[in-house]
Amino acid sequence: DIQMTQSPSSLSASVGDRVTITCQASQDISNYLNWYQQNPGKAPKLLIYDASNLQTGVPSRFSGSGSGTDFTFTISSLQPEDIATYYCQQYDHVPPSFGPGTKVDIK
Amino acid sequence: EVQLLESGGGLVQPGGSLRLSCAASGFTFSSYAMSWVRQAPGKGLEWVSALSKSGGHTYYADSVKGRFTITRVNSKDTLYLQMNSLRAEDTAVYYCAKERASVGGTSFDYWGQGTLVTVSS
Repeated sequence: DIQMTQSPSSLSASVGDRVTITCQASQDISNYLNWYQQNPGKAPKLLIYDASNLQTGVPSRFSGSGSGTDFTFTISSLQPEDIATYYCQQYDHVPPSFGPGTKVDIK
Repeated sequence: EVQLLESGGGLVQPGGSLRLSCAASGFTFSSYAMSWVRQAPGKGLEWVSALSKSGGHTYYADSVKGRFTITRVNSKDTLYLQMNSLRAEDTAVYYCAKERASVGGTSFDYWGQGTLVTVSS
């Protein structure tokens, strides 16, 4: 099975800051990588699919990049509603697997 | 508007069974694979099982293989998860998720609100 790691595990940033989260796969997954946002007490929401494609309706301040084993998720200007846990997920091989999550707080 | 509504969760004793349902609306249910993803209290996301659009191909996490069965009835726009031989470690919120593709275990573009399953004596 493919293992996913994320860093950092948590971060605090100010409104308007640029926030970057990294995700690493245990083997090459091409661009089969998604990013999800989970607000407290809510279901996850797909933000980015295929490493860099913005899901319909998602604000353009969210972006993703990378391929192979190393991926990056960026919030260009952090907003109060972005307080959430963010997960990466690979689907190059079954079982699809999620990273452990990165909790983002407002400083 | 895509909606996924799970039901069937609750408290069950170890070794017991539960059947979860997920009623779908707002999209052509028979055109997409569907999955179940769970989240133990305070923990991360764990994919559980997927089913192709026709129901002909099933996929399971090793942790539930042989105990859980995923099915669907396309004429009723409903997905099911039959859970047998439940263990304490199966305690979690179970989410129904629509896949972006017709095959299972890929990207999950819509999620239900989740149903809590608690396995405890």
